[in-house]
Amino acid sequence: NAGVMQNPRHLVRRRGQEARLRCSPMKGHSHVYWYRQLPEEGLKFMVYLQKENIIDESGMPKERFSAEFPKEGPSILRIQQVVRGDSAAYFCASSPQGQASGYTFGSGTRLTVV
Amino acid sequence: GESVGLHLPTLSVQEGDNSIINCAYSNSASDYFIWYKQESGKGPQFIIDIRSNMDKRQGQRVTVLLNKTVKHLSLQIAATQPGDSAVYFCAEKTKGEYGNKLVFGAGTILRVKS
Repeated sequence: NAGVMQNPRHLVRRRGQEARLRCSPMKGHSHVYWYRQLPEEGLKFMVYLQKENIIDESGMPKERFSAEFPKEGPSILRIQQVVRGDSAAYFCASSPQGQASGYTFGSGTRLTVV
Repeated sequence: GESVGLHLPTLSVQEGDNSIINCAYSNSASDYFIWYKQESGKGPQFIIDIRSNMDKRQGQRVTVLLNKTVKHLSLQIAATQPGDSAVYFCAEKTKGEYGNKLVFGAGTILRVKS
């Protein structure tokens, strides 16, 4: 029973390019959460999604960032026109019923913008 | 706004000693708290949780204490081992307009000296 799978583990993008981060939740989990972690800092909530719905995107920057969780396939966090300040570790977590007690985190994608 | 903070950014302990990691939270309405451990290059890993109707909960070598009067949470690790070296985060569940989400503190680095 695989855990939460994130890919790629490491991603390097030049300024202005697009970054796509993927997250496959645990089997049976229909709720996905994305968090961002800057070096030496805690995890900051970005967005909470269920299948085909964005439930809470209060932590998402207003521009350049978007997220989706289609009926089939992984959840995608998309960052357009990346800037150096986007460099961070992006973690995905999933849960079966949207309850905090059920969070399981993936190993993260480390984005470096050069 | 809501925030979860930690008193000490770094804690160094001798192998075999007990460790205590502290956390202050500001949202008195929070009813569920979790401690996570994050090793280098990995995602957060669940350690122990506690609900607001409890003062104390014990796991294997770990104990979480909750003092709602002063909004304080602590994690105690007995007989600390080198494998306990990591960053420890407390997180509180907040109930927003669109459901639950976890709010993380900044983290405490635990270093175990052999």
